[in-house]
Amino acid sequence: DTEVTQTPKHLVMGMTNKKSLKCEQHMGHRAMYWYKQKAKKPPELMFVYSYEKLSINESVPSRFSPECPNSSLLNLHLHALQPEDSALYLCASSQASGGTYEQYFGPGTRLTVT
Amino acid sequence: ELKVEQNPLFLSMQEGKNYTIYCNYSTTSDRLYWYRQDPGKSLESLFVLLSNGAVKQEGRLMASLDTKARLSTLHITAAVHDLSATYFCAVLLYYGGSQGNLIFGKGTKLSVKP
Repeated sequence: DTEVTQTPKHLVMGMTNKKSLKCEQHMGHRAMYWYKQKAKKPPELMFVYSYEKLSINESVPSRFSPECPNSSLLNLHLHALQPEDSALYLCASSQASGGTYEQYFGPGTRLTVT
Repeated sequence: ELKVEQNPLFLSMQEGKNYTIYCNYSTTSDRLYWYRQDPGKSLESLFVLLSNGAVKQEGRLMASLDTKARLSTLHITAAVHDLSATYFCAVLLYYGGSQGNLIFGKGTKLSVKP
């Protein structure tokens, strides 16, 4: 099973709302990632979790709060977002040591902030 | 700082023709990845290139890696419309010996026309 799942597929939220994005994988990967992708741009790394610990935070605003409850799950909590945060949010997973480090991407959550 | 440059950024091809997409990167890395992205969709892994001289082929696509020249190529043979998509190369930037971060090129938008 090389699948990464993400929910929801689409999300529309107001600037005062609180919502969460969810990502799950069952490949035994111990590294999980959140990316943000704007239209016609490459993905931009937001956060990396390695062995359930936050290892990289690419200077992301605090209105984005990641959480890794266990080795299979990754959440992204959203609060007081701005319209410019509208984007495709991609989750990925990979081996954390050894191997190819190939990242497997989920289908993404299309977020619109109104 | 690792930089990844792709060219061309836009490519309009006729069906049946051959073409090559180039991916140059600025610092040493021995892992390079090619992804495909269809409009509104997530990233699909095409190739994982792990060593100097690596060559991989899948259907009409062939990827190669020259780590000494810091160059990877994605060659398209006898293009068909179904290959129309955006293609990203990504280079692995290691952090402290464990899993690393993918640095993406800007992507090449390929359009194959009859």
